[in-house]
Amino acid sequence: GESVGLHLPTLSVQEGDNSIINCAYSNSASDYFIWYKQESGKGPQFIIDIRSNMDKRQGQRVTVLLNKTVKHLSLQIAATQPGDSAVYFCAETESGAGSYQLTFGKGTKLSVIP
Amino acid sequence: SAVISQKPSRDICQRGTSLTIQCQVDSQVTMMFWYRQQPGQSLTLIATANQGSEATYESGFVIDKFPISRPNLTFSTLTVSNMSPEDSSIYLCSTREGTMNTEAFFGQGTRLTVV
Repeated sequence: GESVGLHLPTLSVQEGDNSIINCAYSNSASDYFIWYKQESGKGPQFIIDIRSNMDKRQGQRVTVLLNKTVKHLSLQIAATQPGDSAVYFCAETESGAGSYQLTFGKGTKLSVIP
Repeated sequence: SAVISQKPSRDICQRGTSLTIQCQVDSQVTMMFWYRQQPGQSLTLIATANQGSEATYESGFVIDKFPISRPNLTFSTLTVSNMSPEDSSIYLCSTREGTMNTEAFFGQGTRLTVV
């Protein structure tokens, strides 16, 4: 289930199950989105991205869904493995703004139960 | 993809002192970014550093506290000045490659503890 921890929401899943991590973004003008995985003691690592002209994109074991109407992004991880345990962040950016900045969401801690 | 190296990876510093964090990229990049990640929280952009111009700081961050250098297209430094325990965070360097719509790469971060 999902619970709110001291700082980050936590999602606990059984190994082999599918995980769904959600993200609400704030800027309706954002047109490029990225999911990052951050393991303890490391910097964020790119997982998958999606542009606003798409609503779904698939990678290896991961799928990102974009719903621009409600400004919602989700990351689906198939057959979750212990190595997927990490904090996951969504990030958004607006191409037309010219600043090239990424705005990060709050993050979700994924814990995989062996 | 760009490989980004940060030094030091971690440090424990006395309050009132300053620490300079180095960021080295293995290729030439126009834009470099410095982020702060406080314990258990998300990333917050401190400033954007482009070679040949002064860094652009985000609201809540000022040059006197976080001076940045960008002497060439592969290197940048961030200094955390006159540190207090509230500055204890992970500091991350990041770059963007090519056009706007490309992924951003991060260094492994510098974990700073101020005592």
